[in-house]
Amino acid sequence: NAGVTQTPKFQVLKTGQSMTLQCAQDMNHEYMSWYRQDPGMGLRLIHYSVGAGITDQGEVPNGYNVSRSTTEDFPLRLLSAAPSQTSVYFCASSKGLTGNTIYFGEGSWLTVV
Amino acid sequence: GDSVTQMEGPVTLSEEAFLTINCTYTATGYPSLFWYVQYPGEGLQLLLKATKADDKGSNKGFEATYRKETTSFHLEKGSVQVSDSAVYFCALPSGGSYIPTFGRGTSLIVHP
Repeated sequence: NAGVTQTPKFQVLKTGQSMTLQCAQDMNHEYMSWYRQDPGMGLRLIHYSVGAGITDQGEVPNGYNVSRSTTEDFPLRLLSAAPSQTSVYFCASSKGLTGNTIYFGEGSWLTVV
Repeated sequence: GDSVTQMEGPVTLSEEAFLTINCTYTATGYPSLFWYVQYPGEGLQLLLKATKADDKGSNKGFEATYRKETTSFHLEKGSVQVSDSAVYFCALPSGGSYIPTFGRGTSLIVHP
């Protein structure tokens, strides 16, 4: 019963490096999203997708790219890492538009030095 | 727009104490309401939900009642345990949008 799987769990990057956080779900959910969680800031939406081939920006999209080539996968790319991107990142998915449970991955702890 | 306001934490309690975490919302119509819980080092998971006014959601000894008249969905538990220490998020799906609205989260610390 995998649910939402994120990799890696922990990563340290140097400023300016790029990397991809992977996210996969096996529940055939249309809606997927990426959040970052910082102390005192709650959850902030980075990007989201309502289906394969469709993505849109959330509250804090700058410095991040996403793509949705399949229903299952929704990778998050950091183009040129900055210390301000040090955070915990969560991928999430749900079926349909509203009123449905959102399932979260276990998180990816990213440190940019 | 839609919004969720939660009481700020941390809330610190002794084991077996009564817990209330307040949540009020502003929304168009009468959406479903959710409480999610985040245990240390983990992602959020659904704790309970209510889909219409006057519904009571319950799980693991926690309860919350959807109060339309006061636009509230307060989380309660009669006797907390150390294992309940976590961050609790109130949430609602934003009407007409794919973007849910989460509260800021309330940290609960339970001491033995």
